Amino acid sequence: DGGITQSPKYLFRKEGQNVTLSCEQNLNHDAMYWYRQDPGQGLRLIYYSQIVNDFQKGDIAEGYSVSREKKESFPLTVTSAQKNPTAFYLCASSMAGGAGTGELFFGEGSRLTVL
Amino acid sequence: QKEVEQNSGPLSVPEGAIASLNCTYSDRGSQSFFWYRQYSGKSPELIMSIYSNGDKEDGRFTAQLNKASQYVSLLIRDSQPSDSATYLCAVNGGSWGKLQFGAGTQVVVTP
Repeated sequence: DGGITQSPKYLFRKEGQNVTLSCEQNLNHDAMYWYRQDPGQGLRLIYYSQIVNDFQKGDIAEGYSVSREKKESFPLTVTSAQKNPTAFYLCASSMAGGAGTGELFFGEGSRLTVL
Repeated sequence: QKEVEQNSGPLSVPEGAIASLNCTYSDRGSQSFFWYRQYSGKSPELIMSIYSNGDKEDGRFTAQLNKASQYVSLLIRDSQPSDSATYLCAVNGGSWGKLQFGAGTQVVVTP
């Protein structure tokens, strides 16, 4: 079955540690995204990528980094520079271009807690 | 300044009734509009997309768009307990990749 796989589902981190969240898709989508969701808030865009080896900052990119070495994969690293990293992280993908860029398919999410 | 506004709810709806959810947006150049459903603790899933003024129906769901008023709504007919969730409005302002989400409206369908 086609879909998006995020791992781990739950992650605990000590302050000062970097962590990497994995996102893999087999939908053959060109575009991939990382969002952050905090309680009572909408989704906020961290990074997005239209094509392999290219990515763009979203609205809240500070303290995060990404790579897009393969079409299927878009890992997110939460660095120690991110001051408030506890959140629900969502990876998504879509077809690139046109109205379809708003039709996102989401992974199950990764819940990060900083101890 | 929030670009996509929704009432947070909760919106309590008796089973079998119509749930009406509203969303306003600030970018007059927005071209495409989406409704996502998110169950508690889960990820969002797309339930409706609408691109032109008027109504679009899909099963028990109807999306309504009025670009002049910068307003998009979602109607859920014959509401079921399984419709209890948070509904996120999302608006594409035209810049690629910049889908803006509202904070969501929580719907609670009571038996």
